[in-house]
Amino acid sequence: NAGVMQNPRHLVRRRGQEARLRCSPMKGHSHVYWYRQLPEEGLKFMVYLQKENIIDESGMPKERFSAEFPKEGPSILRIQQVVRGDSAAYFCASSPYDRVMNTEAFFGQGTRLTVV
Amino acid sequence: QKEVEQDPGPLSVPEGAIVSLNCTYSNSAFQYFMWYRQYSRKGPELLMYTYSSGNKEDGRFTAQVDKSSKYISLFIRDSQPSDSATYLCAMSTGNQFYFGTGTSLTVIP
Repeated sequence: NAGVMQNPRHLVRRRGQEARLRCSPMKGHSHVYWYRQLPEEGLKFMVYLQKENIIDESGMPKERFSAEFPKEGPSILRIQQVVRGDSAAYFCASSPYDRVMNTEAFFGQGTRLTVV
Repeated sequence: QKEVEQDPGPLSVPEGAIVSLNCTYSNSAFQYFMWYRQYSRKGPELLMYTYSSGNKEDGRFTAQVDKSSKYISLFIRDSQPSDSATYLCAMSTGNQFYFGTGTSLTVIP
């Protein structure tokens, strides 16, 4: 059973371009979380999704950022018109349980986005 | 004020030492407390999970939660070079997770 798979591992975008980050959860997991990690700031919650539903996007910036988790295929975190401040490591975690009992969230290796 | 405070270190100890890692928090609604280990360029890996106050032991690792002081600790006994990593504390009300900034630990052989 493969772990949480994120791709690409590294992504370089010029200012103004779009970044698409993919996350395939572990088999049997229907709950996906996205986090952003900046140096010396720890992991910041962005969004929590279940299949075809956004449950909590309170950590997402209001503009340029969106996320989806379709019925088929990976979860996608999309950042439009990237700016230098978007440079960070983006981690995805998946869980078979809902968030109330979420003690077993497994993280992927992350996507390191660099905006030049 | 941050929800969760964690000393970033770095912390350097000789092999075999006992390591103490700590976090403080401000939100009394936190009920779930976790410790993650993150190796360089890798994703966080769940080490320990505790619900409410008390201690939990797993091999060389012991997690303690003191809700009255809003203080949690992770102890590592007989530390090994393979324990060298960044340790993140995390807390949850059940609806959202909050992570500390992480403490960088190096165990010197």
